[in-house]
This record gives sequence, structure tokens and C-alpha cells, in this order.
Amino acid sequence: EDQVTQSPEALRLQEGESSSLNCSYTVSGLRGLFWYRQDPGKGPEFLFTLYSAGEEKEKERLKATLTKKESFLHITAPKPEDSATYLCAVQPSGTSYGKLTFGQGTILTVHP
Amino acid sequence: NAGVTQTPKFQVLKTGQSMTLQCAQDMNHNSMYWYRQDPGMGLRLIYYSASEGTTDKGEVPNGYNVSRLNKREFSLRLESAAPSQTSVYFCASSIVQTGELFFGEGSRLTVL
Repeated sequence: EDQVTQSPEALRLQEGESSSLNCSYTVSGLRGLFWYRQDPGKGPEFLFTLYSAGEEKEKERLKATLTKKESFLHITAPKPEDSATYLCAVQPSGTSYGKLTFGQGTILTVHP
Repeated sequence: NAGVTQTPKFQVLKTGQSMTLQCAQDMNHNSMYWYRQDPGMGLRLIYYSASEGTTDKGEVPNGYNVSRLNKREFSLRLESAAPSQTSVYFCASSIVQTGELFFGEGSRLTVL
């Protein structure tokens, strides 16, 4: 069974304090790993797709990396507007549709 | 640019009542999805439609039916609502069969 576990469940940072979120996954074959951001009361918003171990993607203060067992979302010098829930999801190989398995998310709070 | 639009945004039902959640996208996407989000459970796929005229079950389809009315619209119906269906429902779409999903803002359903 495909599984995605995110840690920590919640993370509180001071503005400018860099940190990382973890996404561990178990899947029979990985077609893609996705990161989404979700603001309170809103739908998830796509951030990154990673396809193979060693791949990295960057967007502003965020950088996502991928190994064969986990992915990290690194947040450099965060700002209060980075506060959100960050969701990780995997798409197993052999599934040709958006049948994603999501983790429970990490709630990030950045204090000014 | 509306993206993915869901109606209604909020709904309260009594056990046994029926209702339909509506979803429309204006991005000319082929694939559409219905997910539900529950505390501690993450997002789970209910049904999806790879293209107009096709629908298929996801991870948690019991108690739901769907209709892909045309390329733009994908509805989710609860025939006899149960308290276990209290959740936030998200419609999503994608241009091809990938995991890069565009989500609506959600429909918050409470079943008493």
C-alpha cells in the first residue's frame, strides 16, 4: 500500500529562521512526487514536481529535493507570508491519472 | 480567470438527504477529480474523470456518484448522506494525466 508520512506535524519558526520539512514515502514505483501549499480555507496550490532521486527544484525561498525514500522542502529565511500547510503527495508508476496519495501535511507558522 | 469553481461553498444536511456538489473549470483541462479532506486523514480521491465521457473510482467511492456532464463540468452526488460524509470536498482538474492539479476552494459539508 502506498503511504506518505510528513513530519513534523507542525513547525513554528521565527522570521529568517531556516528549516526543513520532511516527506517520507513508500510506493511500489514512483512516477512523481508533488509539493502543494494550502492556505486556511483554500484549496491546495501546486508548488513542485520531482521525478527522480537527486532532482531539486527551487521557487523563491523554497527548495524541494528528492531521494529514493524521502523528500525535503527547505525553507530559507522564511517570512510570515510563508505560513501555510505544506502537503506532499506521490503518484505511483502505472497510474496515468492524477491519483495522488497525500500526506497529512505540515502546518508551518512563521512569526515576525 | 476563475480556474476551478465549486458550488455550494457551505452546506448542512440531515442524515438521509441527498445533494449534488457542482464543479466547473475554465482551463480546458481534460481530467477532473473529486477529493475529500478530513482532519488527520489527508486528501483522499473519491472519483476521477480522465476525459469527457469517462469516470472511475478512486480510493473512497462508497456513498458517492459522479457525472462528467461535459468537458468543463464534473458533479459529485451524495444519494443518502451520512455523518461520516462530513468533510471538505475539493474538485480539481489537470491538463494531462499528471499530478499537477488545480484545485477549487472547497465545499464544506456537514451531515447531522
